[in-house]
Amino acid sequence: AQSVTQLGSHVSVSEGALVLLRCNYSSSVPPYLFWYVQYPNQGLQLLLKYTSAATLVKGINGFEAEFKKSETSFHLTKPSAHMSDAAEYFCAVSDSGYSTLTFGKGTMLLVSP
Amino acid sequence: DAGITQSPRHKVTETGTPVTLRCHQTENHRYMYWYRQDPGHGLRLIHYSYGVKDTDKGEVSDGYSVSRSKTEDFLLTLESATSSQTSVYFCAISATSGDNEQFFGPGTRLTVL
Repeated sequence: AQSVTQLGSHVSVSEGALVLLRCNYSSSVPPYLFWYVQYPNQGLQLLLKYTSAATLVKGINGFEAEFKKSETSFHLTKPSAHMSDAAEYFCAVSDSGYSTLTFGKGTMLLVSP
Repeated sequence: DAGITQSPRHKVTETGTPVTLRCHQTENHRYMYWYRQDPGHGLRLIHYSYGVKDTDKGEVSDGYSVSRSKTEDFLLTLESATSSQTSVYFCAISATSGDNEQFFGPGTRLTVL
């Protein structure tokens, strides 16, 4: 069975600082991996996805993530946080050929001025 | 934005009453999903559909049923609502089971008193 672990339910950074949100997965086959963002009172929006092409994936709003098979990780980064990045972020995994996603529990990103 | 609507957007009901939530899509996507979101649990899959009249259970299906009689509509029914079903419910759609990128609706906030 596939699973996702997001380290840290809350992460606090200052505006302009590096953002690092951690995601580790377990999967018995090469996975597809996703990061979604949820702003208050809204649905989830796709930030980026890994589907076995390049291991470094660039997404919207300056975010990127690197797939590391040896570490079973797919951490999300952004070089410089902006106040508008404050939101909840979810990592998700899907085994290739399966039609469902398994989500992590989410990490709330707090950005202070 | 993917054409996904959910109705109602907010509902308050009493324990023991039946409740039906509707998800409607205009994208003609094959796959549709119902999730619930609760603090500390992330998103958990309730049921999903891989075609008209084809549905399957997810992780937290007890107390819920679904129906899909048309491509564009996916209904979630709480047969006899309980307070533990107070949650935010999200519908999602996906065109394929390949990379399984899912698009989310705006959510329905359900309160069971």
